Amino acid sequence: EIVMTQSPATLSVSLGERATLSCRASQSVSYNLAWYQQKPGQAPRLLIHGASTRAPGIPDRFSGSWSGTEFTLTISSLQSEDFAVYYCQQYNTWPMYTFGQGTKLEIK
Amino acid sequence: EVKLVESGGGLVQPGGSLRLSCATSGFTLSSYEMRWVRQAPGKGLEWISYISSSGSTIYYADSVKGRFTISRDNAKNSLYLQMNSLRAEDTAAYYCAREVYNGGFDPWGLGTLVTVSS
Repeated sequence: EIVMTQSPATLSVSLGERATLSCRASQSVSYNLAWYQQKPGQAPRLLIHGASTRAPGIPDRFSGSWSGTEFTLTISSLQSEDFAVYYCQQYNTWPMYTFGQGTKLEIK
Repeated sequence: EVKLVESGGGLVQPGGSLRLSCATSGFTLSSYEMRWVRQAPGKGLEWISYISSSGSTIYYADSVKGRFTISRDNAKNSLYLQMNSLRAEDTAAYYCAREVYNGGFDPWGLGTLVTVSS
């Protein structure tokens, strides 16, 4: 099973600042990685697929990148509605997809 | 609008059964692979079951294999999860999700809560 490790567990950032969230795969997943945002009491929402492609309707302040087995979600200028838990998910090993444990993004 | 709505959750005793449903609208269900994903209270996300667009191919996570059964009725725009021999560790919010972009999930339903407790 591919293990996805997200860091940090909690990230404190001020409004308007940049947030950088990391996700590492235990082995290559190519670019088959998605990012989700989950707010309390809500379902996850797809932000990024293919490691760097924004899903429809996602603001361009959200961007994804990767190098090898290291993936990054960057939020360029934090808005109040961005504070949530973010999950990465690999979908390289069909059908056994795995998620990271999540990063909680909180207001500093 | 693409929409998924789960139902059927509730409180059940260990060893009991529940059947979850996922009503879909706004898209042609028969064109999409579907999944069930669960989230234990305060925990992360766990994929538990997959079904192909026709229903001919099915997979389960080891944690539920032999106890859960996924099915679909494309004519009724619905997805199902029959859960038997429930355990305390099955307590979670259960989400149905449409698989897109060769592996992403979008959208997700709002979820239905299953609590296994005596």
